[in-house]
Amino acid sequence: KAGVTQTPRYLIKTRGQQVTLSCSPISGHRSVSWYQQTPGQGLQFLFEYFSETQRNKGNFPGRFSGRQFSNSRSEMNVSTLELGDSALYLCASSLLGQGTEAFFGQGTRLTVV
Amino acid sequence: GESVGLHLPTLSVQEGDNSIINCAYSNSASDYFIWYKQESGKGPQFIIDIRSNMDKRQGQRVTVLLNKTVKHLSLQIAATQPGDSAVYFCAEMEYGNKLVFGAGTILRVKS
Repeated sequence: KAGVTQTPRYLIKTRGQQVTLSCSPISGHRSVSWYQQTPGQGLQFLFEYFSETQRNKGNFPGRFSGRQFSNSRSEMNVSTLELGDSALYLCASSLLGQGTEAFFGQGTRLTVV
Repeated sequence: GESVGLHLPTLSVQEGDNSIINCAYSNSASDYFIWYKQESGKGPQFIIDIRSNMDKRQGQRVTVLLNKTVKHLSLQIAATQPGDSAVYFCAEMEYGNKLVFGAGTILRVKS
């Protein structure tokens, strides 16, 4: 059974640009959550999608957005990139969310210069 | 759940010894908890979980203990091996499948 796949693994972008990251969950999993990991703030919740609907959102500005497709694949988008957006972005998939095991991908390392 | 200016505690153990990693959680309403292991350059890896109606759960070489009275979780690793060296995170699941992570603990295993 394939795990959670995130693409790309590494990205370098310039301030002001936008970026789209992709996550393919484990087959059959309907919940996809996104997290940002930085040395200073640790792991922080961005948002969760379930059956193409955003079900929960963390405390991030509106520049951070996401969506989920009918096949449960998810994308997150960051617009008008800032240096502070440099981080490891992690995607987690779970069967139902709401108290079921969540499995993480390897992450996308975004560097904003 | 946010941590600012993280300085991760470090636990150093001798290979073969048992390790105990502790975690305090914040929300008394949380009813599901997970321990993750993160190695350098990788995403967090699920280790073991526990629901609030239990106080102990055992896996292969790992045991999680939950004390709801003091909002405390611990992860016990038996016969610690060099491959166990990593950062360990506890996480509590809040409403909407939102995981709130602890700051993490670095486990170093000395051979």
